[in-house]
Amino acid sequence: ETGVTQSPTHLIKTRGQQVTLRCSSQSGHNTVSWYQQALGQGPQFIFQYYREEENGRGNFPPRFSGLQFPNYSSELNVNALELDDSALYLCASSTPGGKNIQYFGAGTRLSVL
Amino acid sequence: QKEVEQDPGPLSVPEGAIVSLNCTYSNSAFQYFMWYRQYSRKGPELLMYTYSSGNKEDGRFTAQVDKSSKYISLFIRDSQPSDSATYLCAMSENAGGTSYGKLTFGQGTILTVHP
Repeated sequence: ETGVTQSPTHLIKTRGQQVTLRCSSQSGHNTVSWYQQALGQGPQFIFQYYREEENGRGNFPPRFSGLQFPNYSSELNVNALELDDSALYLCASSTPGGKNIQYFGAGTRLSVL
Repeated sequence: QKEVEQDPGPLSVPEGAIVSLNCTYSNSAFQYFMWYRQYSRKGPELLMYTYSSGNKEDGRFTAQVDKSSKYISLFIRDSQPSDSATYLCAMSENAGGTSYGKLTFGQGTILTVHP
């Protein structure tokens, strides 16, 4: 177990709805990254938060947004859900020691109908 | 062309075989190289981490990085049925923290080790 926990584990939403996914990082990790993994593909980087600030963003539209809290936990929000948003959403936390070793949670499986 | 290319397989081997998994990449700025293992319906689990070129060994696993060829490999010796999973290579330009720590993943190789 990595100590990174995500909730919920599964979620079913309808196109056009909004969703919030949550992540608790491993103790002592101040960096949280979010990835989207479509079936049969590798994870794709959404964005990263370092000390409550967005520290880089992948090729995802603005309807994907996030937050990091003072305890370093994080949320991923997706507005106006589309069918293609159906995927496994992974959260990863990193050590502050400069090696970028990212430890992943089990993910939230989102289905958009 | 994708930044990181990985043969998706699937790869099926008998128990005890040596497995070779590979990734090629195009971005010469990648410095940090990782292999993750992902079981079905689970998150990726870090197996090996290497900085820059060279070899690293951990038990039955050996990771190799050849930056001049933009090629990385993972070898699994004496493979076991419990090694059956998807193996993902991942790479990063920066160390994270105040630097942009995005990981770029390959597509993943599905490995099955049969008894």
